[in-house]
Amino acid sequence: QVHLQESGPGLVKPSETLSLSCGVSGYSIGSGWYWGWIRQPPGKGLEWIGSIYQGRETSYSPSLKSRVTISMDTSENQLTLKVTFVTAADTAIYYCGRFNYGPYVIDYWGQGTLVTVTA
Amino acid sequence: QSALTQPASVSGSPGRSITISCTGTTNDIGTYNFVSWYQQHPGRAPRLVIYNINERPSGVSSRFSGSRSGNTAFLTISGLQAVDESHFFCSSYTRSSPSWVFGGGTKLTVL
Repeated sequence: QVHLQESGPGLVKPSETLSLSCGVSGYSIGSGWYWGWIRQPPGKGLEWIGSIYQGRETSYSPSLKSRVTISMDTSENQLTLKVTFVTAADTAIYYCGRFNYGPYVIDYWGQGTLVTVTA
Repeated sequence: QSALTQPASVSGSPGRSITISCTGTTNDIGTYNFVSWYQQHPGRAPRLVIYNINERPSGVSSRFSGSRSGNTAFLTISGLQAVDESHFFCSSYTRSSPSWVFGGGTKLTVL
């Protein structure tokens, strides 16, 4: 069974960089599949942030592309998300997941981590 | 505001059926079959329960079913059980950018 777990600071100051990790067990992320991030601001719907494939092919939401980097560390079997120059609008629950672009589903999710942007 | 529209809440009695709607446009639900539904209990990871409008992943109860009419997708849960009380949200491929959109989520209460 594939298991994902997000980790990182729960508070980030405005204009700083949000950095999250996602540890994966039960599957070697460098072996295949797309892996990525989704977020949910308080009281709002989910938003696709982006994904990465085998550590080299990345795809980002156009609205976040200038500030987001998704990377993969196959030795640690984990994903990383960085969002630069954060504002209050980046406050959200951040989820990592395994993305299947065939049927456009996320077949494995982490339980999510809340990041609050506040001075 | 979410790209796909869901009711904020629905409720039903044990043993009865409920249906949750998810309304999009001809850019997404109305044209493409890549519609899926997820269940999420508080503090837990979301779980895929329906994909491709009406297909169930292995291990998901047959009490969960999906359908579509026009630009609206539906999730029906029959034989409601207390364990079904949770949040549900829909998603779809869209030819707009980005290519993946989600609903705002619906809280199911089992009375």
